This record gives sequence, C-alpha cells and structure tokens, in this order.
Amino acid sequence: DIQMTQSPSSLSASIGDRVTITCQASQDISTYLNWYQHKPGTAPKVLIYDASNLETGVPSRFSGSGSGTDFTFTISSLQPEDIATYYCQQFYNLITFGQGTRLDLK
Amino acid sequence: QVHLQESGPGLVRPSQTLSLTCTVSGGSINRGSYYWSWIRQPAGKGLEWIGHMYPSGSTNYNPSLKSRATISGDTSKNQFSLNLSSVTAADTAVYYCAREHEVFFKLDFWGHGILVSVSS
Repeated sequence: DIQMTQSPSSLSASIGDRVTITCQASQDISTYLNWYQHKPGTAPKVLIYDASNLETGVPSRFSGSGSGTDFTFTISSLQPEDIATYYCQQFYNLITFGQGTRLDLK
Repeated sequence: QVHLQESGPGLVRPSQTLSLTCTVSGGSINRGSYYWSWIRQPAGKGLEWIGHMYPSGSTNYNPSLKSRATISGDTSKNQFSLNLSSVTAADTAVYYCAREHEVFFKLDFWGHGILVSVSS
C-alpha cells in the first residue's frame, strides 16, 4: 500500500498570507497526485490534478508542484473562503488520501 | 452537470451488512471514461477510499477493508451500490459516492454524503 503523509496536520494563517502544504508518498508515484478542498457539510472539491494542473473554474491562487515522492500545494494569497481541510490523493496504485491539513484563520 | 445522491439506512446493527445506493443524473454510469466510487469519512478523521467500479463491471477495492466491500451497478436505474458486510462501530462514517475520471482518477463530482451509524 502507498502511504501519503501530509504536513502540517493543522495550520493557522492570516488573510493574504501565502500558505504551503506538503505531501510525501511512501514510494515514487510520478505525478499521480490530486489535491482537494473539503469544507464541513459539503462534498470535497478537486482543485489540482496530476500534481500541477488547475481544475477548470478553480482560482489561480491555488497551485501544485512536485513529482516522485514530494509534493507541494500552495495558496498564493489566502482568502476567507479558503478556510477548509485540504487533502492530497495518490492514484499511482489504487487510491489513497493523505490524512488532511486543517487550515484556519489566525 | 452530473448529480449524485446517496440513499440508504442511517443505522445498521453490528455484524450486519451496510447497503447504500447512489443515484446518478446528468450522465450515464454505462459511459466509458469514468469510474464510480465510494469514499467515507469517520467523524473527526480523514477521507478513506472504499473502492470503485467501471462500466465493464470491473471493480477495485481498498485492501484494508479485507474483502468486506462489494460495489455493483444497475444501468437500468443509473445507480450503483455499496454493500459492506460484517460492520462494526469503526464503520460509522459519512459515506460519499463520486464520479472518478479514468485518466487522472480525480473525483470530480460527489454526492452530499450520508451518515451511517453502526450501533445496537
């Protein structure tokens, strides 16, 4: 099984801050990684697919990078509506999610 | 726009089988290019992929479920279902159904989720 480790598990930031979340895979997964945003009471939403591709309709302040085992998700300028939990998801071998990063306002 | 809706009992007794149905509108589950998936989230925990089915009938499952999960489709009703056998309290969660793109395996449309509790 491929394990996905996200860090940090929680994060506090201010509006306008640059926010970075990392995700590490237990083995090389090439770029087979997606990122999701999940707000309480709603369904998760895909933001980034194949490590660095922005999903249609997603604001350009969201971005992703990385390949192999190390990946980064960035919000360039935090907005109030970005408060949520963020998950990485590998699809190199079946599907595994990271444990999530809870983002809240400082 | 594809819409998915989960349905099923909100309470299941321990050792019984959890059965949920996902009704899809705005797109056929029989169309290629997409898998149809189940994901769950226990309270206070992260997302866990349960498994998926392809229109051909092929399925894949999370090995951690130890063969307790079965996913099947009913093309006449445009629905797909999850059966999870021998449930325990650890199976209490919000269960989501979702469409999964076959190329990047991105889960691009989700249902709103249904809370299933396992309790006697």
